[in-house]
Amino acid sequence: DAGVTQSPTHLIKTRGQQVTLRCSPISGHKSVSWYQQVLGQGPQFIFQYYEKEERGRGNFPDRFSARQFPNYSSELNVNALLLGDSALYLCASSLYGLINQPQHFGDGTRLSIL
Amino acid sequence: DQQVKQNSPSLSVQEGRISILNCDYTNSMFDYFLWYKKYPAEGPTFLISISSIKDKNEDGRFTVFLNKSAKHLSLHIVPSQPGDSAVYFCAASDTGANSKLTFGKGITLSVRP
Repeated sequence: DAGVTQSPTHLIKTRGQQVTLRCSPISGHKSVSWYQQVLGQGPQFIFQYYEKEERGRGNFPDRFSARQFPNYSSELNVNALLLGDSALYLCASSLYGLINQPQHFGDGTRLSIL
Repeated sequence: DQQVKQNSPSLSVQEGRISILNCDYTNSMFDYFLWYKKYPAEGPTFLISISSIKDKNEDGRFTVFLNKSAKHLSLHIVPSQPGDSAVYFCAASDTGANSKLTFGKGITLSVRP
């Protein structure tokens, strides 16, 4: 079975641009979460979606937004990119997004801002 | 404000010996804890978890211990193997936050042949 897939794997943007990252969860998983991992730090929670509804939001500015589609795939959008947005963006899926259901991560999208 | 702390950035262990990775947390609302392993250029992989109602959980070579009063958990790997060399993240969650995970900075484990 395919795991969590993310696209693209790498992306280079310049300051002020906008970016969209995509994620396909494991088949049957209905919850998707997004994390940002800056070099030398652990992943930091951005959003969680379940059944197309936002269930949680981390401490990120409104430039960050996301949505989940009827097929449970998800997109993360970041507007007005800053140098500090350079990071590895990870998507994770789980069955119902419950605390005792381990999240399965994709390999991430490496975003570089010039 | 780091709510999950992994104070040792790296650990080197001889193959066959025990690896002990430590993690401390400050948020008393956390009631579920997980360890993830990460290889370069790959996403984190779930390793083992423990609920706050337990103090120990074991899965093969991996055992996690939880000391709630000290707000401390540890991951024991016995015996350590070269393939265990990776970055290990401690993560925590609380029931009220669904599956939002708060991660530590990670520990780089090197197992020497």
